[in-house]
Amino acid sequence: QITLKESGPTLLKPTQTLTLTCTFSGFSLTTSGVGVGWFRQPPGKALEWLALIFWDDDSRYSPSLKNRLTITKDTSKNQVVLTVTNLDPVDTATYYCAHRLQIGGSSFDYWGQGARVTVSS
Amino acid sequence: DIVMTQSPLSLPVTHGEPASISCRSSQSLLNTNGHNYLDWYLQKPGQSPQLLIYLGSNRASGVPDRFSGSGSGTDFTLKISRVEAEDVGVYYCMQTLQTPLTFGGGTRVEIK
Repeated sequence: QITLKESGPTLLKPTQTLTLTCTFSGFSLTTSGVGVGWFRQPPGKALEWLALIFWDDDSRYSPSLKNRLTITKDTSKNQVVLTVTNLDPVDTATYYCAHRLQIGGSSFDYWGQGARVTVSS
Repeated sequence: DIVMTQSPLSLPVTHGEPASISCRSSQSLLNTNGHNYLDWYLQKPGQSPQLLIYLGSNRASGVPDRFSGSGSGTDFTLKISRVEAEDVGVYYCMQTLQTPLTFGGGTRVEIK
């Protein structure tokens, strides 16, 4: 059974750095084709894709936040970490990590429960 | 970036009646392998998104067969043959042809 869970701070100030950890089970990020993505959803708004990391260390980022995002993996801990630098109140959102379905494009078949992050001075 | 446009914004439906949601992309999502790289997700109130349809028309594991996806190129449709109370929420289409992965703005389905 695949599960994912996001963890990290809930309240940060502008200009600070957000570090979110996605801890997963039921799959391995060393298996060919496997990937984990990060998404976010500001309150009352649509979903937004942020970043994606694959089993082979290939990673992709949203161009709109590319300079502020870093995604890494720790296969020994079954974790994927997303950092977002230079936070702004517009980064207030629920952040989700999700497992990439190993068929076709990057569809995501298992999602974490989400981590609420508020950026406020 | 590929822009995804959904309609309608809101869809009140009668229990047991069919429902249809449209999604259009700013460029073709048809890959040279013959697959359309278009997914549908449902986000129920207070929950995380769940995958309904991938590659345009393939139901994800455990998804009831009242959900179906169709379309090709730039025009796609999600159909619910008979809406149940548990189907309320916001439906999103997402293109996975290229990064950045992009979502439509969402369609809120509610029971009349």
